[in-house]
Amino acid sequence: SAVISQKPSRDICQRGTSLTIQCQVDSQVTMMFWYRQQPGQSLTLIATANQGSEATYESGFVIDKFPISRPNLTFSTLTVSNMSPEDSSIYLCSVVGGVRRGTEAFFGQGTRLTVV
Amino acid sequence: AQSVTQLDSQVPVFEEAPVELRCNYSSSVSVYLFWYVQYPNQGLQLLLKYLSGSTLVESINGFEAEFNKSQTSFHLRKPSVHISDTAEYFCAVSERKRGGNKLTFGTGTQLKVEL
Repeated sequence: SAVISQKPSRDICQRGTSLTIQCQVDSQVTMMFWYRQQPGQSLTLIATANQGSEATYESGFVIDKFPISRPNLTFSTLTVSNMSPEDSSIYLCSVVGGVRRGTEAFFGQGTRLTVV
Repeated sequence: AQSVTQLDSQVPVFEEAPVELRCNYSSSVSVYLFWYVQYPNQGLQLLLKYLSGSTLVESINGFEAEFNKSQTSFHLRKPSVHISDTAEYFCAVSERKRGGNKLTFGTGTQLKVEL
């Protein structure tokens, strides 16, 4: 299994500002994923972060709004830029592992963001 | 591309009654199937998964799910629920390949167990 630590666990931010969320994994992983869970909704993948290359963004998400860093195999950051109330969500970091690699996703506790 | 449909957004049930949470998926390739649970104010936890082999998989707390390829379904069942099973349940799929892959989630089913 993988243990994932996310910081901060929650934050209240002013509109127009930016917040950087950190994700630390206790083992080296090739791929890290960032998801968003809007209030009362399911999880939506924002992007896949690979070490040493640009993140791959899903439809509807762009790098200018959600820049991602992946400096090594155990760490990644997601920045939510120029925030608006619509960005209020839970943001989750995830990695894939398991005995058969690629078969189980582990999630951090999430960052609960409220934009006012 | 894959998609997941959870038809029931909420399922109320009395304690000790059986429950079924429905999940159907669509994919042009072979997939792995998962059920995740999210207890109130907690993170996502894997409940059970289907990778290959027996189509019936079980969790340690009495849930089971059966992969039905012809119906592209992966319904979650429990013969007798407990109040502590109250949570949000998400069905998810990923493409069957090594090295890690993204998950596609359903919209979730809120299971509310009442006394």
